[in-house]
Amino acid sequence: AQSVTQLGSHVSVSEGALVLLRCNYSSSVPPYLFWYVQYPNQGLQLLLKYTSAATLVKGINGFEAEFKKSETSFHLTKPSAHMSDAAEYFCAVSDSTGGFKTIFGAGTRLFVKA
Amino acid sequence: EPEVTQTPSHQVTQMGQEVILRCVPISNHLYFYWYRQILGQKVEFLVSFYNNEISEKSEIFDDQFSVERPDGSNFTLKIRSTKLEDSAMYFCASSGLTDTQYFGPGTRLTVL
Repeated sequence: AQSVTQLGSHVSVSEGALVLLRCNYSSSVPPYLFWYVQYPNQGLQLLLKYTSAATLVKGINGFEAEFKKSETSFHLTKPSAHMSDAAEYFCAVSDSTGGFKTIFGAGTRLFVKA
Repeated sequence: EPEVTQTPSHQVTQMGQEVILRCVPISNHLYFYWYRQILGQKVEFLVSFYNNEISEKSEIFDDQFSVERPDGSNFTLKIRSTKLEDSAMYFCASSGLTDTQYFGPGTRLTVL
């Protein structure tokens, strides 16, 4: 069964500092991996996805994530945090078949201090 | 840019009442999904729908839940007799033949 573990329910960084949100996955098949962002009272917006092409994936808003099979990790990073990055971030995994379900992690709330 | 829409944005109902949550998926998408997020918890898969039938459902999706695509554009989730624990944000999503699911803004269901 697939699962996702996000380390740290809350992460706080200063504006301009590196953002690192950790995600480890478990999957019996080559996974599709995603990061979604949820702003307060809004839906889920796809930040980026890994689908077995390049291991370093670039997404929107300056975020990127690196797929490391040996570590079963897919950590999300951004070199310089902005106040507008404050939100909830969800790592998610699915298998590669059509009509797949997506399994979400518990989420990490990112706080950005001025 | 095409987007998934959901109505209503907030639904308040009494315990035991039936509710129908509505979604309009992206028009050329083939797969449709419902997820829910209880306040402060993770997003959970409920059901996926393809070719006018359920393709997969979770253990949460019991006999109280049903889905329908009544007219080729809407995709609905019905809860027959709501319970307090059904209070959550319900997200609709759709996808094409590729893997990316696009999510709607959600419907907040409050059961009193």
